Amino acid sequence: DIQMTQSPSTLSASVGDRVTITCRASQSISSWLAWYQQKPGKAPNLLIYKASSLESGVPSRFSGSGSGTEFTLTISSLQPDDFATYYCQQYNSYPTFGQGTKVEIK
Amino acid sequence: QVQLVQSGAEVKKPGASVKVSCKASGYTFTNYGLSWVRQAPGQGLEWMGWTSAYNGNTNYAQKLQGRVTMTTDTSTSTAYLELRSLRSDDTAVYYCARDENQVLGGHMDVWGRGTTVTVSS
Repeated sequence: DIQMTQSPSTLSASVGDRVTITCRASQSISSWLAWYQQKPGKAPNLLIYKASSLESGVPSRFSGSGSGTEFTLTISSLQPDDFATYYCQQYNSYPTFGQGTKVEIK
Repeated sequence: QVQLVQSGAEVKKPGASVKVSCKASGYTFTNYGLSWVRQAPGQGLEWMGWTSAYNGNTNYAQKLQGRVTMTTDTSTSTAYLELRSLRSDDTAVYYCARDENQVLGGHMDVWGRGTTVTVSS
């Protein structure tokens, strides 16, 4: 299986901050990477697919970049609704998720 | 609108089986696959497997091979997940999700609300 490692595991930030989450794959996955947001008690919500394509309806403050083994999710200006846990997922082969990054209020 | 409606919570004893349903609406069922993802209490997301609603092909996570079966019924636009020989560490919320991939498992753009399965003696 391809292992996905996210960093940091927890991130403390304030409204208006620029936030970056990193996801590393144990082998090259080309651009076959998605990012999800999950709030407590809710299903995950797709934000980004194919590393940098913004899902319809997702605010433009979310962006994704990277290819190969290193990827980032950036929130350009953190909003109150963005405090949540974020997961990356590779789908180059049998899908696997990162362990998650919790974005909490500083 | 596009939605996936899952069946209700289940409580099972160790060694039993559980079958969770996921009814799709608002889109052409056979144009997409369906993935199943579970989340143990306080833990991250775990992909369990994928099935094609077009031809019934499946791919399962290796750790679940032999205990899991995923099926679809195109007449009712419903997908099913069956998990057998349940153990306490199968306690989790089980999600179905629409999957754009038609071969293995891709990104998942629509999710059900989840079905809580509790395994306890």
